[in-house]
Amino acid sequence: NAGVTQTPKFQVLKTGQSMTLQCAQDMNHNSMYWYRQDPGMGLRLIYYSASEGTTDKGEVPNGYNVSRLNKREFSLRLESAAPSQTSVYFCASNRPGLASYEQFFGPGTRLTVL
Amino acid sequence: DQQVKQNSPSLSVQEGRISILNCDYTNSMFDYFLWYKKYPAEGPTFLISISSIKDKNEDGRFTVFLNKSAKHLSLHIVPSQPGDSAVYFCAASAKGYQKVTFGTGTKLQVIP
Repeated sequence: NAGVTQTPKFQVLKTGQSMTLQCAQDMNHNSMYWYRQDPGMGLRLIYYSASEGTTDKGEVPNGYNVSRLNKREFSLRLESAAPSQTSVYFCASNRPGLASYEQFFGPGTRLTVL
Repeated sequence: DQQVKQNSPSLSVQEGRISILNCDYTNSMFDYFLWYKKYPAEGPTFLISISSIKDKNEDGRFTVFLNKSAKHLSLHIVPSQPGDSAVYFCAASAKGYQKVTFGTGTKLQVIP
C-alpha cells in the first residue's frame, strides 16, 4: 500500500497563477483533510471531507477550493495564488470512529508563491 | 484563538535521559488527544493517543499523561534516543467531530 500520496512535491508559482494539488489514499478511508504548515503556526486545517460527496471549511479556507473526486482522491485548488499561500501543504486521511482519530499524512507539497 | 498550545518551541535533552513535552488546551469539549512526530521533509506520523477517560497511556518508551482538571497533557520519552529528534505536535479532538486541532509543535533535539 502506498498510503497517502501527494503531487507535486515542489511547486513555484507567480502571484495570480492557479494550480491544483492532488492527493490520493489507498486505505479505503472515508475522511480526508488538507492542512498547511507554517513556521510557528503548527498545522492548520484548510478544508476537510468527512465522506465522499461532502466538504467543509476548516480554520483557514480563504483562497482555496477543494474537490472530493471520489473516495480515494481529494484535491486542493488555488485559483489565484498569493505570497501568503507560500507554505507546506499536507493531505491526510482517516477512518472515522470512536478510537480512530489517527490521521495518516502524505509527504507534503512545498509551495512557493513569488 | 489557539485552543491547543505548546509553549516550548524547542527542547534539548541528552541521550538516555527523559524528554518531557508539554501541551495545554482550552476547549473543555476535547476528549481525545494525540501526539504526532514529524521528521524534516516528511509528513507527520501518529505516535500515541489518550482518551479523556484515562489519565495515562503507555507504549514502549512513550507515555502520555493527561490532567483534565488542569487541561494539560505531557509526553514522556524514556530513554531518549537520537532518532527521537523531530518536531512533536500535540493534537486534540472532540467527540463526534472529524476535525483535529493541532498545537504549534515542539522541536526535540536528543544530543548523543
